[in-house]
Amino acid sequence: QSVLTQPPSVSGAPGQRVTISCTGSSSNIGAGYDVHWYRQLPVTAPKLLIYGDNNRPSGVPDRFSGSKSGTSASLAITGLQAEDEADYYCQSYDSSLSSSVFGTGTKVTVL
Amino acid sequence: EVQLVQSGVEVKKPGESLKISCKGSGYRFTSYWIGWVRQMPGKGLEWMGIIYPSDSDTRYSPSFQGQVTISADKSISTAYLQWSSLKASDTAMYYCARLSGSYLPRWFDPWGQGTLVTVAS
Repeated sequence: QSVLTQPPSVSGAPGQRVTISCTGSSSNIGAGYDVHWYRQLPVTAPKLLIYGDNNRPSGVPDRFSGSKSGTSASLAITGLQAEDEADYYCQSYDSSLSSSVFGTGTKVTVL
Repeated sequence: EVQLVQSGVEVKKPGESLKISCKGSGYRFTSYWIGWVRQMPGKGLEWMGIIYPSDSDTRYSPSFQGQVTISADKSISTAYLQWSSLKASDTAMYYCARLSGSYLPRWFDPWGQGTLVTVAS
């Protein structure tokens, strides 16, 4: 069981906006550690989507954005597209574990 | 192009040993940490541990400490993940990835293609 909790699933129609939460505690996100986000398409390796809370690597469209407040972080996807159907994971560092951790993962479904 | 290429599919029996590899190219291998991530069938990502190939400084997640060994051979730009005695519960896809960033937590980018390990009698 991860120390970073995400909703198991979120869904939206094409063109809509969806958000994925990543809830932690005072020993990880609440301690100020950065949050990164990854997208994993079916049967493929994960790919970096957002780093350092809200930075997009080259090639990632601006439809994807990250934010953080208190002990939680969020990933927002605007203009939802069929190709966004995938699993999404957050990552941060936990000082109690002295280790990086991934969130539990969220499956995004495009209706 | 920065690339990590992992070794192929493995099918092993319980109790056997195994060492899988991850070869980096397109960058200075000794300047970046390399990490390993487990994904069990139908499950999420688990951070296993990391190594700095320049001096082999290694860090493990508490969940994997003592269960696996991470190593690297900087002369051939390759990192390894090994087991001395496999269990059925080690069946999973294993990814390596390069870590970037100057402070914790570093992010994984890029990722290898994954190595599927199946342990069954």
